Amino acid sequence: AQTVTQSQPEMSVQEAETVTLSCTYDTSENNYYLFWYKQPPSRQMILVIRQEAYKQQNATENRFSVNFQKAAKSFSLKISDSQLGDTAMYFCASLNPSNQFYFGTGTSLTVIP
Amino acid sequence: GAGVSQSPSNKVTEKGKDVELRCDPISGHTALYWYRQSLGQGLEFLIYFQGNSAPDKSGLPSDRFSAERTGGSVSTLTIQRTQQEDSAVYLCASSLGTLAVSYNEQFFGPGTRLTVL
Repeated sequence: AQTVTQSQPEMSVQEAETVTLSCTYDTSENNYYLFWYKQPPSRQMILVIRQEAYKQQNATENRFSVNFQKAAKSFSLKISDSQLGDTAMYFCASLNPSNQFYFGTGTSLTVIP
Repeated sequence: GAGVSQSPSNKVTEKGKDVELRCDPISGHTALYWYRQSLGQGLEFLIYFQGNSAPDKSGLPSDRFSAERTGGSVSTLTIQRTQQEDSAVYLCASSLGTLAVSYNEQFFGPGTRLTVL
């Protein structure tokens, strides 16, 4: 089975600053996807960014980027120029070829004005 | 509709009762997923449907849990003889097709918060 570990239950960042959320995973698969999801208080899960394991280039979506270290099985999320609307729970997740998603326990991020 | 909808948004029930949770996926989405999110936990993958069939039901926590999908659209998650540990938010998501074939983004519903007294 796959496991996803987020070791930072809570984090805070000053508005306009940069913050990095950590995620490690464990899998025996060679082909898989990795994701970061955002869940604001409304409970609506929103896809932030995704990474295909076979791609070496780190994914980037505007202010969000990842540092994908395949050998280390690490997949951190960097949020640049943090905004108040970034305050939410962030979940790291992996998807295996059997269409099973595995989620971490989440990191609660607070952006401080 | 514009997005994935779930009903009810909140459900309070007594221990031992059966409950049905409903998910309406985005029109045209062939894949549908159910997750459970317990307090302070991540999402636990329960089951997914491709069309009306569920290839793998091993994620369901116990035989009290069942799910079905009809007409390739609406899905219901049924929990029989509810227990207090079933209290959680149940999230549904849909996507255009099976992720293993080609990646399709999952769109999540707002969830149903189930409280078992």
